[in-house]
Amino acid sequence: QKEVEQNSGPLSVPEGAIASLNCTYSDRGSQSFFWYRQYSGKSPELIMFIYSNGDKEDGRFTAQLNKASQYVSLLIRDSQPSDSATYLCAADSGGYNKLIFGAGTRLAVHP
Amino acid sequence: DAGITQSPRYKITETGRQVTLMCHQTWSHSYMFWYRQDLGHGLRLIYYSAAADITDKGEVPDGYVVSRSKTENFPLTLESATRSQTSVYFCASSERGSSSYEQYFGPGTRLTVT
Repeated sequence: QKEVEQNSGPLSVPEGAIASLNCTYSDRGSQSFFWYRQYSGKSPELIMFIYSNGDKEDGRFTAQLNKASQYVSLLIRDSQPSDSATYLCAADSGGYNKLIFGAGTRLAVHP
Repeated sequence: DAGITQSPRYKITETGRQVTLMCHQTWSHSYMFWYRQDLGHGLRLIYYSAAADITDKGEVPDGYVVSRSKTENFPLTLESATRSQTSVYFCASSERGSSSYEQYFGPGTRLTVT
C-alpha cells in the first residue's frame, strides 16, 4: 500500500517564527510532490510543488525534497495567523496525474 | 464561471437513496478525480477519469458509480447511500501532459446520510 505520512499536529508556532512541516512517502517511484493548504471548511489549494532534490523557494515558502530519504518538508518563514490551516502533502502515484495525499498537519500560528 | 464547480454544496439524504453529486470544469482538463475527505484519513481517491468515456477505480470505489460522457462533467453517484458515506466530497481536475501533475479542486459537497 503506497502511503504518505504526516504528523497530524497541531503544530503551534508564534507569529513571525518559522513553521516546519514534514512528510514521508513510501513509493520510490514518485517523482512529484505537492503541498496544499486547506482552510477549515474550504477546498485544498496548491501552494508549492517540487520534483528535484534540494530546495525550492517561493516567497515565504520553501519546499525541500530528499528522494534518498523519501522525505519532503515545507518551511514557512515569518509565519502569520493567516497561515493557520491544515497542510496536505501529496505525491504522484500510478500515472494519470493521480496523487496520494497524507492526512494533513494542522498548523496554528498564534499572535 | 471559469474553474471547477460542484453541486449541490450541501446534501442530506436517507440511507438507501440514490444520490448524484455533480462536477463541472471549464478548463477542458483531460483528467478528473473524485475524493472523499474524512477526519483522520485525508483525501482518498474514489474514481478518476483520463478522458471522456475512460474511468477507473481509485482507493475506495465500493458503493459509487461514475460516468463521463463529456470532458467537462464528471458526476458521482451513490447507488444506495449508507451512513458510512457521510463525508465531504471533492472533485478535482488536472491537465494531461503537465510536467507537474498539479490538481485543482472544486469547493466540495458536504453529504450527510441519515
